[in-house]
Amino acid sequence: DAKTTQPNSMESNEEEPVHLPCNHSTISGTDYIHWYRQLPSQGPEYVIHGLTSNVNNRMASLAIAEDRKSSTLILHRATLRDAAVYYCIQNRDDKIIFGKGTRLHILP
Amino acid sequence: NAGVMQNPRHLVRRRGQEARLRCSPMKGHSHVYWYRQLPEEGLKFMVYLQKENIIDESGMPKERFSAEFPKEGPSILRIQQVVRGDSAAYFCASSPEGFGEQFFGPGTRLTVL
Repeated sequence: DAKTTQPNSMESNEEEPVHLPCNHSTISGTDYIHWYRQLPSQGPEYVIHGLTSNVNNRMASLAIAEDRKSSTLILHRATLRDAAVYYCIQNRDDKIIFGKGTRLHILP
Repeated sequence: NAGVMQNPRHLVRRRGQEARLRCSPMKGHSHVYWYRQLPEEGLKFMVYLQKENIIDESGMPKERFSAEFPKEGPSILRIQQVVRGDSAAYFCASSPEGFGEQFFGPGTRLTVL
């Protein structure tokens, strides 16, 4: 079973920042936090991952709490193309266990 | 560099027939994963393979399902004697090593009549 907890859905206005929360209270020292997203009728797409420090890439930023029991995916300026289901995953090996994710709606 | 390719994209089978789903990983990737997504649900891990080896098949149903990744050619997910409950989207992913980012294909949507 998935070890993370995410809100079922969120809404955001276009061109505004979006903060997607994730709780992973059972995380251990060797578990990474991965984020994937799935656009409608497509396969999942890697977004970002991290272990302890905050991470930035061209798609998003990942803010990890100091105790690592939660994290936040930040989309700095949401567009309509960011409407998708976002999955937060806690794992330490090759297997990705997907939860139900957060369905992000972007309002024009 | 082409992405992960899956074919067919859509497959229709009648109950009792066999379904063969193919996955060509990205160039240079020797690790392949298969996932199943039922309508309105998240993805479920099925199996993890390296060339000629099954590494983890803990998500595979015990009967009718099998997977292979031969030395040459694509990975194949085979479903024998399909039933309506097998109707789902099947996604393949590949990675260059056994951890880290996985690259997903567009999926095969199987419909069992």
